[in-house]
Amino acid sequence: KQEVTQIPAALSVPEGENLVLNCSFTDSAIYNLQWFRQDPGKGLTSLLLIQSSQREQTSGRLNASLDKSSGRSTLYIAASQPGDSATYLCAASGGSNYKLTFGKGTLLTVNP
Amino acid sequence: NAGVTQTPKFRILKIGQSMTLQCTQDMNHNYMYWYRQDPGMGLKLIYYSVGAGITDKGEVPNGYNVSRSTTEDFPLRLELAAPSQTSVYFCASSPPEGGIYRRNQPQHFGDGTRLSIL
Repeated sequence: KQEVTQIPAALSVPEGENLVLNCSFTDSAIYNLQWFRQDPGKGLTSLLLIQSSQREQTSGRLNASLDKSSGRSTLYIAASQPGDSATYLCAASGGSNYKLTFGKGTLLTVNP
Repeated sequence: NAGVTQTPKFRILKIGQSMTLQCTQDMNHNYMYWYRQDPGMGLKLIYYSVGAGITDKGEVPNGYNVSRSTTEDFPLRLELAAPSQTSVYFCASSPPEGGIYRRNQPQHFGDGTRLSIL
């Protein structure tokens, strides 16, 4: 059974700092790895999706990497802003795009 | 383009009552999903559907039922509400693999239904 762990559970940083969020998964036979953002009281918004054959994906100030052999993914946020404050969730897809297994998330607070 | 729409946004039920959580999407996605999210926890898959008339159980299906009569709608039914079903419920959809989509596509989520059972 796939298990996804996110460390740290919470992170508070000053504005402008570069930061890394970590995600680990137990079964390396994944189809893809997805990063989502969740704002309070809202649904999830997809940030980046890394195919199993890829090593990384970039979107603006966000860069996500995938190392299947070690069962790890990282989300790098450059030059953090207060608007980046949210919960970040990673999810591993085993076998297809459905049946995502989610981590518990990292609550990020960026202080002005 | 509304995306994934869930109704109601909030609901309080008494133990033993039943209700249907509605979910509709206007993106013509074949795949639809229901998740629940408990405080401090990740999302857990309840049921999913790969197309009209086809549904299957996820990780936590007990106490729930679904149907998929159209591509657009995927309602989730609670027959006998129990306190353990107090949660936030999210519906999501995604395009099918293959065809015009050469690569996996992310899931699109609704804003959730916050359900309390007392």
